[in-house]
Amino acid sequence: AQSVTQPDIHITVSEGASLELRCNYSYGATPYLFWYVQSPGQGLQLLLKYFSGDTLVQGIKGFEAEFKRSQSSFNLRKPSVHWSDAAEYFCAVGDGYGNKLVFGSGTILRVKS
Amino acid sequence: GAVVSQHPSWVICKSGTSVKIECRSLDFQATTMFWYRQFPKQSLMLMATSNEGSKATYEQGVEKDKFLINHASLTLSTLTVTSAHPEDSSFYICSASRTGHYGYTFGSGTRLTVV
Repeated sequence: AQSVTQPDIHITVSEGASLELRCNYSYGATPYLFWYVQSPGQGLQLLLKYFSGDTLVQGIKGFEAEFKRSQSSFNLRKPSVHWSDAAEYFCAVGDGYGNKLVFGSGTILRVKS
Repeated sequence: GAVVSQHPSWVICKSGTSVKIECRSLDFQATTMFWYRQFPKQSLMLMATSNEGSKATYEQGVEKDKFLINHASLTLSTLTVTSAHPEDSSFYICSASRTGHYGYTFGSGTRLTVV
């Protein structure tokens, strides 16, 4: 069964600084990987996804993620964080389109001015 | 495109009553819908997977008689929490996928408070 680990519960960065959120997955075959963002009391918004092809994936709001099979990782990055990026971020893995997702425990991002 | 509407966004009910939550795909046909539950400061836990016209598949530990799921059409799935108790208070989120497309669209969630 697939699983996802987000080792950082909270991360605080200064506005304008770079950001990297870590995600490690466990899955026997080629995973379908996602990053979602959730504001308090809201649903989830898809930032980006990886299924195949180029391992560096560009998403919305200036986010990108890199799939590294050798490290079983799919870390999310942003070169310059804005105060509006403060939210909770979830990494998820699926085993095929239309099938269920398994979510990591989430990372809460705080942005200080 | 690919919008999922979830209603209501919040609901307060008395203990022992039932509550129905709707999840609608507005601009696509959702062959599969998923229902998640999220406790405060925790991740999303899948409760069940529903396919149009067939019985839902529940995850281990989820009471199917308590959480009734109906997916009667390609655009609507409902979750009914029967005989709700305070421990059922949570944030419930649905998501939908469509045939031949990668990815999932999430609803905005329903905050259920049982008093």
